[in-house]
Amino acid sequence: KNQVEQSPQSLIILEGKNCTLQCNYTVSPFSNLRWYKQDTGRGPVSLTIMTFSENTKSNGRYTATLDADTKQSSLHITASQLSDSASYICVVHGSGNTGKLIFGQGTTLQVKP
Amino acid sequence: EPEVTQTPSHQVTQMGQEVILRCVPISNHLYFYWYRQILGQKVEFLVSFYNNEISEKSEIFDDQFSVERPDGSNFTLKIRSTKLEDSAMYFCASTAGGGSYEQYFGPGTRLTVT
Repeated sequence: KNQVEQSPQSLIILEGKNCTLQCNYTVSPFSNLRWYKQDTGRGPVSLTIMTFSENTKSNGRYTATLDADTKQSSLHITASQLSDSASYICVVHGSGNTGKLIFGQGTTLQVKP
Repeated sequence: EPEVTQTPSHQVTQMGQEVILRCVPISNHLYFYWYRQILGQKVEFLVSFYNNEISEKSEIFDDQFSVERPDGSNFTLKIRSTKLEDSAMYFCASTAGGGSYEQYFGPGTRLTVT
């Protein structure tokens, strides 16, 4: 069954600290992996997209890694800010051109002053 | 910057009633999607729409659901006879191309079925 699992479920860090979120997927075939940020009550906003041939991609203070062999990805947030408090969702696009996305449960990040 | 818009932001309806959720995708986009997120759960794919027809749908998208692009700008999701379990946040998304393209999500419509 195509699944996307994330850990930890939730995380609390102090402002200015770094953190790393994990994602494991069993989606096959695999086309690309995305990380989204979702604020409470809002739609997801894309942070990164990586195809199977890419193993790292950065977007400002966000850096995503991908290991397509082990089917693992991580999202590293550097120098966290209060505005980083949100849910971070790992999303996989399997195959085909329809664009159907498979979502993980998300990691809820809380950044405290 | 162009964005996907959705109306209404919150819809309350009684069980058994029909609801129509509306979306205006980004103007030059070709692929359109509906997703839903039940409170506290993961976002789930409902349906994708391209070239005026459904290209893929999930098992959630049963005969009670339908989608339509009635004109060049709107994309709608209709639920014919709502159930309590249809209560969720419904997100519309659009993209310029197929699978590897960025999907832009709207702010969502919160549907509450009582």
